[in-house]
Amino acid sequence: SQTIHQWPATLVQPVGSPLSLECTVEGTSNPNLYWYRQAAGRGLQLLFYSVGIGQISSEVPQNLSASRPQDRQFILSSKKLLLSDSGFYLCAWSTDMNTEAFFGQGTRLTVV
Amino acid sequence: KNEVEQSPQNLTAQEGEFITINCSYSVGISALHWLQQHPGGGIVSLFMLSSGKKKHGRLIATINIQEKHSSLHITASHPRDSAVYICAVRTGNQFYFGTGTSLTVIP
Repeated sequence: SQTIHQWPATLVQPVGSPLSLECTVEGTSNPNLYWYRQAAGRGLQLLFYSVGIGQISSEVPQNLSASRPQDRQFILSSKKLLLSDSGFYLCAWSTDMNTEAFFGQGTRLTVV
Repeated sequence: KNEVEQSPQNLTAQEGEFITINCSYSVGISALHWLQQHPGGGIVSLFMLSSGKKKHGRLIATINIQEKHSSLHITASHPRDSAVYICAVRTGNQFYFGTGTSLTVIP
């Protein structure tokens, strides 16, 4: 079966510290992978998407970066967190063969 | 202007009421999704639509491609239906999301 794992579920980090959120997918190959952020009271905002290993498209200029070192692994990073990076981060995947989308459980990040 | 607009933003209903959440979009799409987000934050996909109507239990989703509009209906609402419902559309490799409708069903 197809599953998506995202961790950690919650994270409290001080301003200026680094960040690494990981997302892995099982049960499919060559998925399209996405990172979204949901700020308080706002909708989901696309941060990055990837159609293949090493291929990253950025939608919003910001303090974050993404990498796809393996086909089913997508990592969201920051070298120095800002207070404004606080929010709920969701990983998702889909394929080109069908248009269904699957979401991770999300990571609630609080930068203090 | 957002590519996806949802209404209402907040909705409170008595248990048993029939509920409708609306979604309008302004881009060409290959599919429309209705998603459910519970307080813990995780999102599950309820429906994926490209035309017509789908039903799953007490949930019904419809889409009118010509009018670029979709509705999510909940019949005989229950407190466990309390959640945020999000409309999302897919165009190419990208998804665009509405800001969600926060539903509270009171016993």
